[in-house]
Amino acid sequence: DAMVIQNPRYQVTQFGKPVTLSCSQTLNHNVMYWYQQKSSQAPKLLFHYYDKDFNNEADTPDNFQSRRPNTSFCFLDIRSPGLGDAAMYLCATSRGSSNNEKLFFGSGTQLSVL
Amino acid sequence: GENVGLHLPTLSVQEGDNSIINCAYSNSASDYFIWYKQESGKGPQFIIDIRSNMDKRQGQRVTVLLNKTVKHLSLQIAATQPGDSAVYFCAENKGGANNLFFGTGTRLTVIP
Repeated sequence: DAMVIQNPRYQVTQFGKPVTLSCSQTLNHNVMYWYQQKSSQAPKLLFHYYDKDFNNEADTPDNFQSRRPNTSFCFLDIRSPGLGDAAMYLCATSRGSSNNEKLFFGSGTQLSVL
Repeated sequence: GENVGLHLPTLSVQEGDNSIINCAYSNSASDYFIWYKQESGKGPQFIIDIRSNMDKRQGQRVTVLLNKTVKHLSLQIAATQPGDSAVYFCAENKGGANNLFFGTGTRLTVIP
């Protein structure tokens, strides 16, 4: 019954080697988010899509990009992963972008950078 | 700066006791607050929410209290169970486009 599905659960990449994380949803929600969560820290929003409109957070490094080819899928691309990019990456969705929308999170992808 | 912070990073309680997790915020414009539970290796899971026009909301075994005067939010868990062991985050929405700002988190450990 998973509604927000992230693959893979664990991803290992090499320093500087591009990596893509994927997220899909069965909720038909308009908004999809990518959060970065480092160990013992709170999730930090990287960017979100409202439908096809991309909204980048001001402090998200250029190294992080995203694609949303359709309503169901959203990808996080890390062009040149550094050691500091090792983290849990969480995908979330919401029906809309009003103040009181609930976010539904996937189980995350744990990224390791060697 | 404006932030959402938690008073205690860890909390240990005996099984069956009540738990209280606190959260302080400083943005008076925030009008919607959510508590999330995050178990190890999983994404945050919605527990309960509250809007700024309320001061209390109850769910199943959980109650959220909002004190706007002192900008304080708390999560009360009744009869805490081992399955409640997790990290609990409060989050606030500052209005406008949906953008949740998460607090630091409190790790709750339930002792059998």
